[in-house]
Amino acid sequence: DVKVTQSSRYLVKRTGEKVFLECVQDMDHENMFWYRQDPGLGLRLIYFSYDVKMKEKGDIPEGYSVSREKKERFSLILESASTNQTSMYLCASSFFAGGQDGELFFGEGSRLTVL
Amino acid sequence: GIQVEQSPPDLILQEGANSTLRCNFSDSVNNLQWFHQNPWGQLINLFYIPSGTKQNGRLSATTVATERYSLLYISSSQTTDSGVYFCAVGYNQGGKLIFGQGTELSVKP
Repeated sequence: DVKVTQSSRYLVKRTGEKVFLECVQDMDHENMFWYRQDPGLGLRLIYFSYDVKMKEKGDIPEGYSVSREKKERFSLILESASTNQTSMYLCASSFFAGGQDGELFFGEGSRLTVL
Repeated sequence: GIQVEQSPPDLILQEGANSTLRCNFSDSVNNLQWFHQNPWGQLINLFYIPSGTKQNGRLSATTVATERYSLLYISSSQTTDSGVYFCAVGYNQGGKLIFGQGTELSVKP
């Protein structure tokens, strides 16, 4: 079974802190993603990566950065956390083969509260 | 960008009933997937179905790409089917998917 593991299920941070959310997948997937989910706003893409050291902005990249130094790991960084970044963060991965993207698999989510 | 609309937004069923969820999209896609988010927040991939029909137990899905819609059928619903069902679509963008707003299903015993 594909496993996408997020480092923390629940985090509480203070405004201005630097926050790292880590995600690891064990299926050698090329594509990795960070989404945030908020009530009434659905799932919104923050950043994605289709290869090591490659990153692309999603729909709401402001206030976030990412790092992909190894194929299996994709990190989301909040340089200076703010209260409006309180949310559920979801990591996902998918393969790419034969010119086609595959099924998307999600981690369990990280619920971040910024005080 | 591609727009994704799901209907209905909410659905309440009695256990054992059948239901059909719809996903309309505004442009050509080569990637369409259905997900179920359980009450604990975990998103599970149900179907990868850019075209055609697939079945998995009590669930089946059909995508008519030329008419830009997909349907998810749930038969003999159970309380464990409760949660939010999302449709997501994409087109050759490094796996990037655009999600609909979801259909929240509640199955009563």
